[in-house]
Amino acid sequence: GENVGLHLPTLSVQEGDNSIINCAYSNSASDYFIWYKQESGKGPQFIIDIRSNMDKRQGQRVTVLLNKTVKHLSLQIAATQPGDSAVYFCAENIRGSQGNLIFGKGTKLSVKP
Amino acid sequence: GAVVSQHPSRVICKSGTSVKIECRSLDFQATTMFWYRQFPKQSLMLMATSNEGSKATYEQGVEKDKFLINHASLTLSTLTVTSAHPEDSSFYICSASQGANEKLFFGSGTQLSVL
Repeated sequence: GENVGLHLPTLSVQEGDNSIINCAYSNSASDYFIWYKQESGKGPQFIIDIRSNMDKRQGQRVTVLLNKTVKHLSLQIAATQPGDSAVYFCAENIRGSQGNLIFGKGTKLSVKP
Repeated sequence: GAVVSQHPSRVICKSGTSVKIECRSLDFQATTMFWYRQFPKQSLMLMATSNEGSKATYEQGVEKDKFLINHASLTLSTLTVTSAHPEDSSFYICSASQGANEKLFFGSGTQLSVL
């Protein structure tokens, strides 16, 4: 399944499927972007980051894509597992550091076993 | 990886009391710490930036006299919610970094409930 953006704050996928979570950022001057995972009652956990001089970055089972033309960021999770169930936030920064982050609204990912 | 410890994880208090939340960087020196507030099903909103040895910088709309921040050492920042009221009930989260271009690490959060 694919999240169509902030209009669909929840995403439900079957275990083993790939998940795509989208984010539209607001500031064209932002040059650093991060995806965080937040489980209920816990603080955000860093997943992956990307700088504006890149359009794709891969981690373990996760890929972040950046489209600066339309100010769009996506997080792809391969072979989604029940442990991936959480709320995912994108964050942007306009100073090239992680200092003053602006968080997106978040998408809740539910993985059905 | 670096660890940020936040304490307490949960606090329930009566209206009018003050509550102190601690944020510690356990294995690195944090020149800068940040305090966020998160209401249910909402995103994190930055409240203030705390720099060691200097006054905190508050975001617009955040009352500095109500949310007192102290960053007296490179490993500890505290947020004190003074004269707490039910509308202050929220999830408070701190984060810390070693410097301007260093990765940010988050604490586990504090759920404040004011009765």
